Amino acid sequence: AQTVTQSQPEMSVQEAETVTLSCTYDTSESNYYLFWYKQPPSRQMILVIRQEAYKQQNATENRFSVNFQKAAKSFSLKISDSQLGDTAMYFCAFMYSGGGADGLTFGKGTHLIIQP
Amino acid sequence: DAGVTQSPTHLIKTRGQQVTLRCSPKSGHDTVSWYQQALGQGPQFIFQYYEEEERQRGNFPDRFSGHQFPNYSSELNVNALLLGDSALYLCASSSRGGQATDTQYFGPGTRLTVL
Repeated sequence: AQTVTQSQPEMSVQEAETVTLSCTYDTSESNYYLFWYKQPPSRQMILVIRQEAYKQQNATENRFSVNFQKAAKSFSLKISDSQLGDTAMYFCAFMYSGGGADGLTFGKGTHLIIQP
Repeated sequence: DAGVTQSPTHLIKTRGQQVTLRCSPKSGHDTVSWYQQALGQGPQFIFQYYEEEERQRGNFPDRFSGHQFPNYSSELNVNALLLGDSALYLCASSSRGGQATDTQYFGPGTRLTVL
């Protein structure tokens, strides 16, 4: 079974700063996907970014990018030019690419607060 | 285009009772996954329904059961409620059996409180 660990329960930065959220995972699988999900105070979880393990190039979505280190089993999220609307819980998640039936395995989350 | 909807929004039950939560997937989706999110924790996978069958189950007891209807909507049933079942229950929909390449869309959740 895989595990996902997020070691930062809470982080706070000023608006427009860059912030990096950490995530490590453990798995014996070689083919998998990693995700960052955002859960704003309204509760609806939305996908921020997805990384395929077999791709060496780090995924990027506008202000969001990841640093994927497969050998170290590390998957951090960088948010550039942070905005007040980025305030939310951020969850790192894992899914085995052999099929989605096993669902997502989530970490405990990091509460990110963007200060004005 | 309606996203994933869940009902009810909030629910209060007492220990030993039974509860049914409902989920309607996003239009075009045929796969529904259920997650339990305890306070201060990440969501935990309960099970997934595809083609009206439970495909896989997480580490949850048989008190948790579900159903998927021909229109792809789904129900989560929890019997003999325990205090520890108090949580936010999230439904996520996707297509093609929930492939990792397909985005899972989450509903707003049902907050269950067991007294």
